[in-house]
Amino acid sequence: GAVVSQHPSRVICKSGTSVKIECRSLDFQATTMFWYRQFPKQSLMLMATSNEGSKATYEQGVEKDKFLINHASLTLSTLTVTSAHPEDSSFYICSARDDRTGGVQPQHFGDGTRLSIL
Amino acid sequence: SQQGEEDPQALSIQEGENATMNCSYKTSINNLQWYRQNSGRGLVHLILIRSNEREKHSGRLRVTLDTSKKSSSLLITASRAADTASYFCATAISGGYNKLIFGAGTRLAVHP
Repeated sequence: GAVVSQHPSRVICKSGTSVKIECRSLDFQATTMFWYRQFPKQSLMLMATSNEGSKATYEQGVEKDKFLINHASLTLSTLTVTSAHPEDSSFYICSARDDRTGGVQPQHFGDGTRLSIL
Repeated sequence: SQQGEEDPQALSIQEGENATMNCSYKTSINNLQWYRQNSGRGLVHLILIRSNEREKHSGRLRVTLDTSKKSSSLLITASRAADTASYFCATAISGGYNKLIFGAGTRLAVHP
């Protein structure tokens, strides 16, 4: 149980394109999901906390207008990288917290999306 | 900003040997978690230790937590080639949505 599906797994597109990444909790409800960014051989940097039915909470230094987050249902959060440029190329990972277990339990991670902007 | 640091950054051992990774953090925590990441994949949760616990075991994994030193260690005993991965500690910060702040990670290579 506790499976998180992230799609697509890989995106290669031209500069200026907007890219949408989906994060779905398949067998549990998740009021709260998290979006991370990871550069090669580095750790995960939290970008934002996504909350169903309300605005996302962004970490300091993360551009809200650049990284649009929508959490329209209890099983789906989306991250849209708007007008992507080569510097946005990275590995993006989402995670979800199972509503049944509460905040102190582990997060469940998707398999990540490798975004390459040409 | 990053919560803590891990050492070593990279560790190379032979199968059958033990691997120890250390993690330090800076602020008060609810719990500390260890995750594993295979190359190019998402993270898999390994073990969670609460702030009032000092040691926890799960199979070949042993985690310790010293809140006075703000540090934790992960020991993998009798390592296998399949243990090759990056290992991250993550601290759950009090308040808010219990978001996780990850350490820099240790890249473990286990050679057959």
